[in-house]
Amino acid sequence: EVQLVESGGGLVQPGRSLRLSCAASGFTFDDYAMHWVRQAPGKGLEWVSGISWNSGSIGYADSVKGRFTISRDNAKNSLYLQMNSLRAEDTALYYCAKDSMVRGVISADLDYWGQGTLVTVSS
Amino acid sequence: EIVLTQSPGTLSLSPGERATLSCRASQSVSSSYLAWYQQKPGQAPRLLIYGASSRATGIPDRFSGSGSGTDFTLTISRLEPEDFAVYYCQQYGSSPMTFGQGTKVEIK
Repeated sequence: EVQLVESGGGLVQPGRSLRLSCAASGFTFDDYAMHWVRQAPGKGLEWVSGISWNSGSIGYADSVKGRFTISRDNAKNSLYLQMNSLRAEDTALYYCAKDSMVRGVISADLDYWGQGTLVTVSS
Repeated sequence: EIVLTQSPGTLSLSPGERATLSCRASQSVSSSYLAWYQQKPGQAPRLLIYGASSRATGIPDRFSGSGSGTDFTLTISRLEPEDFAVYYCQQYGSSPMTFGQGTKVEIK
């Protein structure tokens, strides 16, 4: 059974940093691109960042480019999101999601999602 | 980036009725790389349809997708009580992938 478990969310002041983690199991992690997708309270879905299976291809939404860094550790079956210079508008539930395509590029349908970790940016 | 516009914003229907949800793209979606997701309150999104018309694993056949280019449709042939939820379309043919704003299907 595929499982994605996010952690690392919490309340943080504007301008500070936070690092999210996603622990994956139930599939061959290093065969798939992975993504972070966020959802602000009461709002829709917004793709944040994606990373290919071998970290060779990485993408970011314009809203987070230069502030967020995605990475992965295939030996630990883990995905990360380093979030710096946080803003109030980054407040959201952050989902880790698995790309459906084996060794594809970082744009595909997302066939498994975690339950999310909540990030609240407020003073 | 490709902007996806979903309509209507809210659809009020009764169980057993047919639901038709629309997703229009600001430019053509490459190779029909269009997916649909269902999200219930307090839950993560669930993949329903990929490639515009292929059902994901375990999705009942009352869910169907169609369309190409800029116009796509999700149809639920006969609404079951568990189908009342918010539905999102997503395009992944062009980077960055983008989502529509969602259509809420509510009980009339």
